[in-house]
Amino acid sequence: NAGVTQTPKFRVLKTGQSMTLLCAQDMNHEYMYWYRQDPGMGLRLIHYSVGEGTTAKGEVPDGYNVSRLKKQNFLLGLESAAPSQTSVYFCASSTLAGRTDTQYFGPGTRLTVL
Amino acid sequence: GQSLEQPSEVTAVEGAIVQINCTYQTSGFYGLSWYQQHDGGAPTFLSYNALDGLEETGRFSSFLSRSDSYGYLLLQELQMKDSASYFCAVRDGFGNEKLTFGTGTRLTIIP
Repeated sequence: NAGVTQTPKFRVLKTGQSMTLLCAQDMNHEYMYWYRQDPGMGLRLIHYSVGEGTTAKGEVPDGYNVSRLKKQNFLLGLESAAPSQTSVYFCASSTLAGRTDTQYFGPGTRLTVL
Repeated sequence: GQSLEQPSEVTAVEGAIVQINCTYQTSGFYGLSWYQQHDGGAPTFLSYNALDGLEETGRFSSFLSRSDSYGYLLLQELQMKDSASYFCAVRDGFGNEKLTFGTGTRLTIIP
């Protein structure tokens, strides 16, 4: 079991460029999430998905789009990157079973926008 | 909306006990959880409380008082590897799978 994986691990973009971050989980979890983490700000939810083909906005969705075409994958897109999007991005997944609010996180993607 | 408050930094001595507090204000409440994050790493789940009282998992315990909108994480027999950031998180609705995280407490263990 690889758990939750994210690609790429690091990326540097110029302002205005676009990119897609890929998250994959092999635990058959129903729910998937994208967070960003900035110093002193904790984890802020960008978008999430409660199942294949469904997505919803989180706390800070502006400037990002997501898609969940397959249950195991959750993509985060930046159409026109801005320096304010410099951050560490974490993907996470969870399941209904157990109801213990356990989210499993990927290793993160460090994104710098110049 | 939801808001959580926890101390930004705590320092404790190796071998001692430390308590990290979390107070929350939410429109609803269905559980308080705790996550640990080492520098450069990903958050990992530690503990969860849905009902009042103490939950124990090895050296770590978590407490919840729903009437006080308050919880804490208790770490015993501190080890140097416990130096990390600790986040409390709340879920505010049944069927709502979103968690709202606090801004984290950076715990430093000194010899």
